[in-house]
Amino acid sequence: DAGVIQSPRHEVTEMGQEVTLRCKPISGHDYLFWYRQTMMRGLELLIYFNNNVPIDDSGMPEDRFSAKMPNASFSTLKIQPSEPRDSAVYFCASTGSRTEAFFGQGTRLTVV
Amino acid sequence: AQKVTQAQTEISVVEKEDVTLDCVYETRDTTYYLFWYKQPPSGELVFLIRRNSFDEQNEISGRYSWNFQKSTSSFNFTITASQVVDSAVYFCALSSDNYGQNFVFGPGTRLSVLP
Repeated sequence: DAGVIQSPRHEVTEMGQEVTLRCKPISGHDYLFWYRQTMMRGLELLIYFNNNVPIDDSGMPEDRFSAKMPNASFSTLKIQPSEPRDSAVYFCASTGSRTEAFFGQGTRLTVV
Repeated sequence: AQKVTQAQTEISVVEKEDVTLDCVYETRDTTYYLFWYKQPPSGELVFLIRRNSFDEQNEISGRYSWNFQKSTSSFNFTITASQVVDSAVYFCALSSDNYGQNFVFGPGTRLSVLP
């Protein structure tokens, strides 16, 4: 398996624009997580899904953030409108019932 | 509330030295799980180890070893005979779920191994 795949690896966008980050989890994993990493706050859990259903979105910072998982092999994290303080590395991770969490390589988002 | 503290922000050692990374955790759960992840300069997070709260046996894997002490709520990580490739940020994490469905990460320790 290729592991958790995130795209794009880097994204630079202007303030106010919509940004969509994508994630393909490892096949067979039934949990999917979105994390954000910043220097100030470290690694924070934003939201996680189990069997495509959002379980806990208490970490989503604002209504500007939304996440979907339309099927077992794809998830998106959308920020609309984006702001400079959203600049961070966003990680997607997946895990199954008997495996540890595997992380993607992350998407480095810069909002100017 | 759960919390993980990694008091060492940055550590520098010379190659072949041993180095220990500290991790102290707080939780009210009687069952919990502790993890270490490595983040090399390339940015991905690499799983190193998982330990449950009922298993206090120390573990050794090659040059890596882990010391879990429930009495002091610590889960320290030692690299023996460090190598330049060990340079990375190391994160300790705590979860109430077996495989990390809900991690709380520590702030990380940046390890630099100098040649």
